[in-house]
Amino acid sequence: DSGVTQTPKHLITATGQRVTLRCSPRSGDLSVYWYQQSLDQGLQFLIQYYNGEERAKGNILERFSAQQFPDLHSELNLSSLELGDSALYFCASSPRDRPYNEQFFGPGTRLTVL
Amino acid sequence: DQQVKQNSPSLSVQEGRISILNCDYTNSMFDYFLWYKKYPAEGPTFLISISSIKDKNEDGRFTVFLNKSAKHLSLHIVPSQPGDSAVYFCAASAQGQGAQKLVFGQGTRLTINP
Repeated sequence: DSGVTQTPKHLITATGQRVTLRCSPRSGDLSVYWYQQSLDQGLQFLIQYYNGEERAKGNILERFSAQQFPDLHSELNLSSLELGDSALYFCASSPRDRPYNEQFFGPGTRLTVL
Repeated sequence: DQQVKQNSPSLSVQEGRISILNCDYTNSMFDYFLWYKKYPAEGPTFLISISSIKDKNEDGRFTVFLNKSAKHLSLHIVPSQPGDSAVYFCAASAQGQGAQKLVFGQGTRLTINP
């Protein structure tokens, strides 16, 4: 158990809909990262927040947005969903503002868009 | 543009023998490298890392080798055990540029046969 929690574990929805994925980092970790893993692909970095502020952006679509709240939990919002958005979405946390220490990953949310 | 590549999607090794997983990268600015292990239905877990100032790092049965001139790293597992069966991802980051993200390879599925 990494100490990072993600809800829900599974999400099934239809094209055009909007969903929110939630992540609670390990106690004391200030950085939260979101990754997307499509079928047979590596993890693609989406976005990072550090202590409530956006710190880095990766291959995140404009239809996707995220935020980190004062209690440090984070939410990833996916809107106007398309079939291709079906993937595993992982959240990770780390204690500092650099990834050179390992990131601790949650179990992921599996999103299926029908 | 796949900056981190794991060219072997799968590897099968006899229990007790050495497992060697390979990873190549193209971005010469990468200066920190990590290996993650992933079991089904779980998030990736950190295994071992290496800074670019080193060419070897060892932790128990796991050793990572870095060849900067070849832009190549490898993970050696000796001796291999059935519990090592998992998907292994290598990842890289470029601290010096203030990058906040890990760039992952596509993963190699390791199967240890009894």
